[in-house]
Amino acid sequence: DIPMTQSPSSLSASVGDRVTITCRAGQSISDSLNWYQHKPGKAPKLLVFAASNLQSGVPSRFSGSGSGTDFTLTIRNLQPEDLATYYCQQSYSVPPFTFGQGTKLEIK
Amino acid sequence: QLQLQESGPGLVKPSETLPLACTVSGDSISSSNYYWAWIRQPPGKGLEWIGSIYSSGRAFYNPSLHSRVTISLDTSKNQFSLRLSSVTAADTAVYYCARQTATVTTRWFDPWGQGTLVTVSS
Repeated sequence: DIPMTQSPSSLSASVGDRVTITCRAGQSISDSLNWYQHKPGKAPKLLVFAASNLQSGVPSRFSGSGSGTDFTLTIRNLQPEDLATYYCQQSYSVPPFTFGQGTKLEIK
Repeated sequence: QLQLQESGPGLVKPSETLPLACTVSGDSISSSNYYWAWIRQPPGKGLEWIGSIYSSGRAFYNPSLHSRVTISLDTSKNQFSLRLSSVTAADTAVYYCARQTATVTTRWFDPWGQGTLVTVSS
């Protein structure tokens, strides 16, 4: 299994801020890395696939970058509706697909 | 618009089998070139992939659960199902179904169902 480690595990930011969440893979996974947003009581939602490709319908203030072992999800101009937990997920070496432990984002 | 909806018992007794179904609307599970997946989240913990099944019926599972998991298709109902045997309290979780897209180089889950909470308790 490829372990995925996210940091920070939680953070608090203000509306309008720029937020960065990092995800580190236990071995190189090329660009086989996806990001999801999970709001309480809702279905998880795909934000970014293949490290840097924005899913259709996702606001352009979300962006993903990285390759190999280190990846970043950036949210520019943070909005109140961005309150959620964010997860990374690798699909390079399966089974199994593995997820990061999550980053809980709070709005000040 | 593709939608997925989980259904099944909210309470299962220890040592019994947990049965869940995922009803898909907006696409045919047998004709599309997608996988269909089950993922779970225990209370206060992260996401764990359980397994996936292709439209042909070929399934593959998380090795940590492989001996207890069966995923199958029911094309007449446009559903796919999960059966998890010999459950314990550790199997208490919100269970999600999702469509899995595969390209040459990567795979992702989208969309997901709302999830259903299954509690294992006597």
